[in-house]
Amino acid sequence: RKEVEQDPGPFNVPEGATVAFNCTYSNSASQSFFWYRQDCRKEPKLLMSVYSSGNEDGRFTAQLNRASQYISLLIRDSKLSDSATYLCVVDGGANNLFFGTGTRLTVIP
Amino acid sequence: DTEVTQTPKHLVMGMTNKKSLKCEQHMGHRAMYWYKQKAKKPPELMFVYSYEKLSINESVPSRFSPECPNSSLLNLHLHALQPEDSALYLCASSQDRTPNYGYTFGSGTRLTVV
Repeated sequence: RKEVEQDPGPFNVPEGATVAFNCTYSNSASQSFFWYRQDCRKEPKLLMSVYSSGNEDGRFTAQLNRASQYISLLIRDSKLSDSATYLCVVDGGANNLFFGTGTRLTVIP
Repeated sequence: DTEVTQTPKHLVMGMTNKKSLKCEQHMGHRAMYWYKQKAKKPPELMFVYSYEKLSINESVPSRFSPECPNSSLLNLHLHALQPEDSALYLCASSQDRTPNYGYTFGSGTRLTVV
């Protein structure tokens, strides 16, 4: 079983749509959770950390469900510039982060 | 602009060449990492340095040799690579061994082995 599993997509949504990505992780001892964004042929960039209480940053909302070992990312009012691959990332302890395979999002005009 | 600087941005090397990738950060981070990323795949961890000591080596072939001259610099020495080693090599750093704040990645070196 993979440490982090994501739906690879692709998700093709119109501008203004709301889209949600989900991710599950296998290590119940994991303490830190993140969503990274990666544009084509660029490095991953931290989008947001995910906290137990849930957190919001503008149009982006992240949720964590420890009991189900499940993380989500909601993007409201999608913009063309949101087109990218979104990586779910979970700490595996011992100075290691596990990356999901990424979910590809394309926002269509 | 990224706070982790990697050079060169692109590198083409032959299978008998020796080259080095360089990474530098001035955020005072004490953990630094090398990742390898193939197209349409997530980054794969290669090495971790924590407080300038190698703490993780993910069974990487000896043709890749990391070096951490000081807390701000991380090198990856390459020798006798194979074409399948062609990939994006990413350097990252974090405040310490516990990734509570995530990693900051450099823009990567795109390596092609011919």
